[in-house]
Order: sequence, then structure tokens, then C-alpha cells
Amino acid sequence: GAGVSQSPRYKVAKRGQDVALRCDPISGHVSLFWYQQALGQGPEFLTYFQNEAQLDKSGLPSDRFFAERPEGSVSTLKIQRTQQEDSAVYLCASSPRGVANTGELFFGEGSRLTVL
Amino acid sequence: AQTVTQSQPEMSVQEAETVTLSCTYDTSENNYYLFWYKQPPSRQMILVIRQEAYKQQNATENRFSVNFQKAAKSFSLKISDSQLGDTAMYFCAFFDPLEGDKLIFGTGTRLQVFP
Repeated sequence: GAGVSQSPRYKVAKRGQDVALRCDPISGHVSLFWYQQALGQGPEFLTYFQNEAQLDKSGLPSDRFFAERPEGSVSTLKIQRTQQEDSAVYLCASSPRGVANTGELFFGEGSRLTVL
Repeated sequence: AQTVTQSQPEMSVQEAETVTLSCTYDTSENNYYLFWYKQPPSRQMILVIRQEAYKQQNATENRFSVNFQKAAKSFSLKISDSQLGDTAMYFCAFFDPLEGDKLIFGTGTRLQVFP
């Protein structure tokens, strides 16, 4: 597609439910990133893929968070047993070859998760 | 650990005027990259401008320019001839190639451009 597409745009979950957030990056982009943006804050890094390989997952806040990109294209961020502190906008971004090469990440519009 | 600080939570400017957004950062590295991203109300973030630390010349992109002071670890964004469409959140971001491929963002500055 023309840009990074994320779904759903809005998700309301009850505490304890599992959620899955989808990211469809720009076609051909090797690198894919997930960021978490809490209300009034800047985005915080969660995890990074180069093709299907998850090269960095140091930002995932707990083992309830899991991300995958099995075919090196679409990625899914899964949050198990959601907690209220998981409420945030989850941003996906892709890059042709990585941050250093192009200096630019292409962001989706985000998925706003609200945990009640 | 590297940190990025934006000390101005909100700024406002009249259309056609100039405004400067501040950003400071902390790092012990010599080679790194700095960015300004814009996040309009639709939430899709877009790159405004980038600066490589090894370049002494300040980056410029049309109405947007930076004042990069490496010794002071300061990276401010100047918007000239402000337009209503410049209304957005602006995030300063830092990238260290030795720390993987992630950007570190500041907390943002909300800019409102008034007619």
C-alpha cells in the first residue's frame, strides 16, 4: 500500500482480555518498529524487526507483550491479559533499510488501546 | 543512557511569524543523528528534518531549520513564516547507531498556530 496501515484504529478491552494489533508496512520495507505512546508522552520503543527476524525486543514492558512478523511483511503485536497501564497508542513504523541509512521512519496512524 | 528533553510543553505563534522549539539531549557518543518529527492531530508522524552530528552545517528544509550546538547538546527547530498547517505536536528524536536501530523521543511540544 501507499503507507503504513494499522488496525484496528481503536480497541477497547476489558482488563484481562487478550488483544492483537496489526501493522501492514510499506511494501518492500525491510525494517519494522513498534512504539508505545502514552497520553501526553513521546513514543517509546518496544521492538524492531529486520525482515522476519526480531533483532531487538528490549522495549517490551513485560512477557505479556509479544510481537511477530513471520513472513517479513505484516506484523502483529499481541498483548495478553491486558492491564490498565497498557492503555496507549501503539504506533507501527517501517523503513526501507533502517534508521541510519535513510534517517526516516514512516509511521502508521496508530492503534489506540483503552483497557477498562 | 541517552535522554532527550523538550522543556516547552506548549508553544503558540501567530501565522507568518517565526517560532523556535527547544530540544536538549544527553549522550557520551560522538557520532549520532537527530531528528524532528511532526505529529498532527491525525496522529501520523512525519519527518520534518534530520541532522547528522558529524556535519557542522545546520540542516534546512524550506521553512524549517535547526540550530545544532553539539558542545551544548542542543538541537532547536526554527519554523519561519508559520502556517496554520504547522499546528501539531513536535517531537525531537535521537539515534545512536551503536545502540541498535531505535529512535529515542522527547516528550513533545504542542505548537498552536493562530490566524
